[in-house]
Amino acid sequence: QVTLKESGPVLVKPTETLTLTCTVSGFSLSNARLGVSWIRQPPGKALEWLAHIFSNDDKSYNTSLKTRLTISQDASKSQVVLSMTNVDPEDTATYFCARIPNIAIVPYYFDYWGPGTLVTVSS
Amino acid sequence: SYELTQPPSVSVSPGQTATITCSGDALSRQYAYWYQQKPGQAPVLVIYKDNERPSGIPERFAGSGSGTTVTLTISGVQAEDEADYYCQSADSTSTYHVVFGGGTMLTVL
Repeated sequence: QVTLKESGPVLVKPTETLTLTCTVSGFSLSNARLGVSWIRQPPGKALEWLAHIFSNDDKSYNTSLKTRLTISQDASKSQVVLSMTNVDPEDTATYFCARIPNIAIVPYYFDYWGPGTLVTVSS
Repeated sequence: SYELTQPPSVSVSPGQTATITCSGDALSRQYAYWYQQKPGQAPVLVIYKDNERPSGIPERFAGSGSGTTVTLTISGVQAEDEADYYCQSADSTSTYHVVFGGGTMLTVL
């Protein structure tokens, strides 16, 4: 059974760094075919892709947020971590991690999602 | 604004057919995907590679496309289909950069 679960702070102050962890089960982050993405959704708004990572450490970032994002993984812990620097109230959103089922099919898409975690940026 | 354009809302009566469109230049050369999202829940993939249904998705969900527009068709709409629907593809700068449409709220009257 494939599952993903996001964890991290509920509240972050402006200018701080947000660090989120996605813990996966039912598949291995060492599987060369699979990847993990982070996607966010501000309250009442649309989905926004943030970044992805594959087992070979291939990474890609949303162009508009690239300078603030870092994605990494620890396959031994089955975890993918996303860091976002210098957060702003506009970064308030539900953050999802999701699995990419096949590195060979582009554009990438997402077959399993975590339930999401709501992060509020406020002083 | 979004690189993929969807109508904000679509309404349909139970048993009727709902059609949700998604337009964008990338769609003429890239696969499209569709997700269903109910309030407070994570999105669920309902169509991949333009017109394929994942296991467990009812046959009433179908995807199609022509040129720069793709369409999600839900035949025989049921009350449980009321949700937001998002199309997804790649952005104009890179095949490896994902972009979502603005979403369409489907209301079952």
